Amino acid sequence: GAGVSQTPSNKVTEKGKYVELRCDPISGHTALYWYRQSLGQGPEFLIYFQGTGAADDSGLPNDRFFAVRPEGSVSTLKIQRTERGDSAMYLCASSLTGGGGNNQPQHFGDGTRLSIL
Amino acid sequence: SQQGEEDPQALSIQEGENATMNCSYKTSINNLQWYRQNSGRGLVHLILIRSNEREKHSGRLRVTLDTSKKSSSLLITASRAADTASYFCATDRPLANDYKLSFGAGTTVTVRA
Repeated sequence: GAGVSQTPSNKVTEKGKYVELRCDPISGHTALYWYRQSLGQGPEFLIYFQGTGAADDSGLPNDRFFAVRPEGSVSTLKIQRTERGDSAMYLCASSLTGGGGNNQPQHFGDGTRLSIL
Repeated sequence: SQQGEEDPQALSIQEGENATMNCSYKTSINNLQWYRQNSGRGLVHLILIRSNEREKHSGRLRVTLDTSKKSSSLLITASRAADTASYFCATDRPLANDYKLSFGAGTTVTVRA
């Protein structure tokens, strides 16, 4: 079946603008994760959804970042008043179930490369 | 902050040779996973090893886990040009409500034809 789909694949915008990044997880996966990856680094956790609710948003760097998953499937990561330091690859992943100790691999999309000018 | 640390940072080998990379981590884990990332792409899951397992194989991949040393290794045998990528280890912690993966900075592997 289809994997995790992220759109757009690239986004270039000016400092101060608002951006939305979309993630379409694998069908039937209840758990959805957002990560951010800077050049030369591994991904860093941002937020985790179990169904429609954000079970853990402790990785969001500040209140300019917000994410939703209103119907328990597609998720949108929203960034307000973008700053140059927000430039990174934003990765979405999903897994069949969530929760600790579930031994489930996370399946990643190809990411959105965000560049703030 | 990142939990894992891969070693070496970069590795260049000839096609057909084996590639070995290591991962060390700091806190107790539930599982350790290895992922591959081709340039500009997302991460592809390779293998998951549980904390009570010591070795696991998948095709040309062999993963070991030593929880006493808080370390893991990934061996790719008979490497191919298509194995050129960055490889990341990722851990999750044995807590009921903890599921986030913590990644290292990765090992960049170049396989020369």
